[in-house]
Amino acid sequence: EPEVTQTPSHQVTQMGQEVILRCVPISNHLYFYWYRQILGQKVEFLVSFYNNEISEKSEIFDDQFSVERPDGSNFTLKIRSTKLEDSAMYFCASSPDRLTLNEKLFFGSGTQLSVL
Amino acid sequence: EDKVVQSPLSLVVHEGDTVTLNCSYEVTNFRSLLWYKQEKKAPTFLFMLTSSGIEKKSGRLSSILDKKELFSILNITATQTGDSAVYLCAVVPGGTSYGKLTFGQGTILTVHP
Repeated sequence: EPEVTQTPSHQVTQMGQEVILRCVPISNHLYFYWYRQILGQKVEFLVSFYNNEISEKSEIFDDQFSVERPDGSNFTLKIRSTKLEDSAMYFCASSPDRLTLNEKLFFGSGTQLSVL
Repeated sequence: EDKVVQSPLSLVVHEGDTVTLNCSYEVTNFRSLLWYKQEKKAPTFLFMLTSSGIEKKSGRLSSILDKKELFSILNITATQTGDSAVYLCAVVPGGTSYGKLTFGQGTILTVHP
């Protein structure tokens, strides 16, 4: 079964550094998403992306975050200047189309980001 | 603000027991409700519920939605140690939203041999 793949599985960085989290969505999917889960808290929506632009973003997704689809297969989340509170599990997800009565999200296995 | 609340937060049972997990929601615009199982990392899809009163079933797992009372339940019968996981409930908004799921905090299920 096709999978969403994410790299790296773990990332440790120093506060203030830039990080790029990488994802390869399922190949025929058109909508891409980033979610995050801070330890012990709920999974939270960050951003959705379609047709090379952001479709929707949450209040969390401020100017230090950006997303990009640099080629036909990768989808990246960049955090420009990491803060301690950015430490979380970041999940990439994709769906064949906009979420409707028949569509659902497929999640990757996540990147655990630790900001020291 | 959309809200999804799951209960109980954690549950410990023995193999063979039946469990019922609850998910209640308050959202401004509802399209569907999803159940996911999270073992170690990636949430894996279990059910999508859109219509009230229609049970979805997959093996020992089943789920039903009540759109009038704004809740869903996930039942697991004859539990096995492999059912140990965090079970997540999420609401898919309608309208012009593009996938901003609202998740509950999850129920941690532990099944002992």
